[in-house]
Amino acid sequence: EAGVVQSPRYKIIEKKQPVAFWCNPISGHNTLYWYLQNLGQGPELLIRYENEEAVDDSQLPKDRFSAERLKGVDSTLKIQPAELGDSAVYLCASSPGTDTDTQYFGPGTRLTVL
Amino acid sequence: GDSVTQMEGPVTLSEEAFLTINCTYTATGYPSLFWYVQYPGEGLQLLLKATKADDKGSNKGFEATYRKETTSFHLEKGSVQVSDSAVYFCALSTDSWGKLQFGAGTQVVVTP
Repeated sequence: EAGVVQSPRYKIIEKKQPVAFWCNPISGHNTLYWYLQNLGQGPELLIRYENEEAVDDSQLPKDRFSAERLKGVDSTLKIQPAELGDSAVYLCASSPGTDTDTQYFGPGTRLTVL
Repeated sequence: GDSVTQMEGPVTLSEEAFLTINCTYTATGYPSLFWYVQYPGEGLQLLLKATKADDKGSNKGFEATYRKETTSFHLEKGSVQVSDSAVYFCALSTDSWGKLQFGAGTQVVVTP
């Protein structure tokens, strides 16, 4: 069974540019999470989806960050415009919904903002 | 608020040595506790978990016991291998939806 797929794996952009990250969760997983992981720290939840619905986006900086999961499968996280402080690893995770404690993580996208 | 504190790394040890990574937590209610592992270049993987006091989670030779009285969930392995070199994250969840609160991670380096 394929795991959580994320792309791109690495992205380097200039500040003030837009950037988007894509996530394809494990097939059949209804719950999808986006996390931010700064260097030397643990992941922090940005947003959680139950199917198409964002059920917890309290940590998402909505002035520049947006996310969508239009058909309840793939998801995209966008930053516009990017700032230097956004340099981090963006992780996507999914869970089946029957055991929401067990989350399966993708390899992440490492963003560098210059 | 809820939080997880784990020992700072890097922890460097020789193959076949005993490994302990300390983890303590602060939470309202009764959290579920987890250890995740991140190998170089890979995503986080669930290593083990415990959902109530005195439960012991175990996997791949690693163990951790949910200690409510000391609010701890220390990770142990009796004989580490080079392949255990990774970053280990302690985490908790008090949310029925599975929202995880992670510690900062502990890097473990095992040398031959």
